[in-house]
Amino acid sequence: EAGVAQSPRYKIIEKRQSVAFWCNPISGHATLYWYQQILGQGPKLLIQFQNNGVVDDSQLPKDRFSAERLKGVDSTLKIQPAKLEDSAVYLCASSPSGGRGNEQFFGPGTRLTVL
Amino acid sequence: KNEVEQSPQNLTAQEGEFITINCSYSVGISALHWLQQHPGGGIVSLFMLSSGKKKHGRLIATINIQEKHSSLHITASHPRDSAVYICAARDQFYFGTGTSLTVIP
Repeated sequence: EAGVAQSPRYKIIEKRQSVAFWCNPISGHATLYWYQQILGQGPKLLIQFQNNGVVDDSQLPKDRFSAERLKGVDSTLKIQPAKLEDSAVYLCASSPSGGRGNEQFFGPGTRLTVL
Repeated sequence: KNEVEQSPQNLTAQEGEFITINCSYSVGISALHWLQQHPGGGIVSLFMLSSGKKKHGRLIATINIQEKHSSLHITASHPRDSAVYICAARDQFYFGTGTSLTVIP
């Protein structure tokens, strides 16, 4: 079974530029998560999708971050414009459903460096 | 104060040693997740548990719901166990900052 795919794996941009990350979850997984992991810290949930609907985006900085999952399968996370403090690994995860008993499967992450 | 606290933050062990990583949480949860993160960022799920104990190979995870505490044990540690181990309170997605483990041959 293929795992969660993310691209690109690495991205370097200058502040105030825009960037987009892509995630393809495990086939059939209804729930998709985006996390931000700053160096030395644990992951922080940015947004949770159930199919193509948003379940939780309370920690998403909506003035600059946006995410969509239009067809309920793959998802994109965008930052516009980027700030220095956005330098982090952006992790995508999926699970069969959003139920609390369900395990999450993580992608390899996209390492973003903002100069 | 973080909702999920791990200790120690860094741990160096000799190959073959028994290792314990601790996780305490202050929020109510229905499950706690142990994750392993290798250099390069990839995260692998090790355990998700809501009570008692789970074992997988040389890894053992325990949880005490009343005391809001969980431990991850590694028996007969090996250099390939070197990674960051993260505990997460599943419901609210609170993550610990991780324990960086280095096992020396």
